[in-house]
Amino acid sequence: AQRVTQPEKLLSVFKGAPVELKCNYSYSGSPELFWYVQYSRQRLQLLLRHISRESIKGFTADLNKGETSFHLKKPFAQEEDSAMYYCALSGAGGTSYGKLTFGQGTILTVHP
Amino acid sequence: DAGVTQSPTHLIKTRGQQVTLRCSPKSGHDTVSWYQQALGQGPQFIFQYYEEEERQRGNFPDRFSGHQFPNYSSELNVNALLLGDSALYLCASSMGATRQYFGPGTRLTVT
Repeated sequence: AQRVTQPEKLLSVFKGAPVELKCNYSYSGSPELFWYVQYSRQRLQLLLRHISRESIKGFTADLNKGETSFHLKKPFAQEEDSAMYYCALSGAGGTSYGKLTFGQGTILTVHP
Repeated sequence: DAGVTQSPTHLIKTRGQQVTLRCSPKSGHDTVSWYQQALGQGPQFIFQYYEEEERQRGNFPDRFSGHQFPNYSSELNVNALLLGDSALYLCASSMGATRQYFGPGTRLTVT
């Protein structure tokens, strides 16, 4: 079974402070990990995926297979980063390919 | 391209009734996935359609069924509605099983 855990429901930081949103997963195989973001009154959209190893809007995430984690980090938070963030997992192949399993989400609030 | 579109936006139904939700995928996409998002929860995978066939299914009862049309649009049908079916229903489209683009959702309320 595949599972994604986001331990923090709410996270508050001040503008300019570093931010880390935690994500742990359980999957018996090679997973693909994603971070999705939902800004106020907007639809869910992909922020980044681990296989791309990219940095989007200053956010990065590293897949740690040993700790089964995929934490999202940004060195200097901005007010416009305030949103709901979801970590999601898909199998890299086989029967789980394309089936996204989401965590419960973390609401990030960046204060001025 | 308007991206993924869903209709209706909101819907109110009574217990025991049946409902049909619709989704039009992003231009060029051939795969449609449906998710249920209960209040305060992350989206949960219902099923995925490709080439008019259900390719994958999550842990949802048979009351949840779907269809994909030759133009790749899709419907989600829920029979014998329960109060617990009240949720936001999200449609996502993709080319194959790659990056999924989400629609705005349909808010279903069962009374």
